[in-house]
Amino acid sequence: DIQMTQSPSSLSASVGDRVTITCRASQSISTYLNWYQQKPGKAPKLLMYAASSLQSGVPSRFSGSGSGTDFTLTITSVQPEDFATYYCQQSYSFPRTFGQGAKLEIK
Amino acid sequence: EVQLVESGGDLVEPGGSLTLSCAGSGFTFSHAYMTWVRQAPGKGLEWVGRIKSKGEGGTTDYGEPVKGRFTISRDDSKNTLYLHMNSLKTEDTAAYYCTWVSRWGRRADYYYYMDVWGKGTTVTVSS
Repeated sequence: DIQMTQSPSSLSASVGDRVTITCRASQSISTYLNWYQQKPGKAPKLLMYAASSLQSGVPSRFSGSGSGTDFTLTITSVQPEDFATYYCQQSYSFPRTFGQGAKLEIK
Repeated sequence: EVQLVESGGDLVEPGGSLTLSCAGSGFTFSHAYMTWVRQAPGKGLEWVGRIKSKGEGGTTDYGEPVKGRFTISRDDSKNTLYLHMNSLKTEDTAAYYCTWVSRWGRRADYYYYMDVWGKGTTVTVSS
């Protein structure tokens, strides 16, 4: 199975900060990488697919990059509604696997 | 609007069985790939398994922790996805989400992603 490792596991930021979350795959997955956002008590929501394609309706302050084994999710100016947990997920092979999550908290 | 509504979550004893349902609306259910994802209390997301559309074979894939114990099926006449769970263990305690899988790209090179999620249903395995 492909292992997905996110870093950091938690981070704190102030509104307006630029934030970057990293996701590393245990083997090359090309750009078969998705990002999800989850708020407490809610279902996850798709943010990004194919590493860098923004899902419809997601604000443009979110961006994704990377290929192979290393990927990043960047929020250029964090807004109050962005404080949540973020998960990466590979769609390169089965079983699909998620990173352990990165919790973004208010500083 | 695409909507997924899970049901069937319950308290069940270890070794027991349970079937979850997921009713879909707002999209052509029979054409859809569907997935189950679970989340244990306070933990991260875990992919449970996937079923293709019947038109593309209706085949299934499962995560190792549930292989041989869980079965995903679908009834396209009812726009409903099922997760049949047997030999339940305490570690199966989780919120279970069904998702609609979308894809983008070319036939030989599709990118798959979990586009729409239900609100989830909770399974508790405890004596």
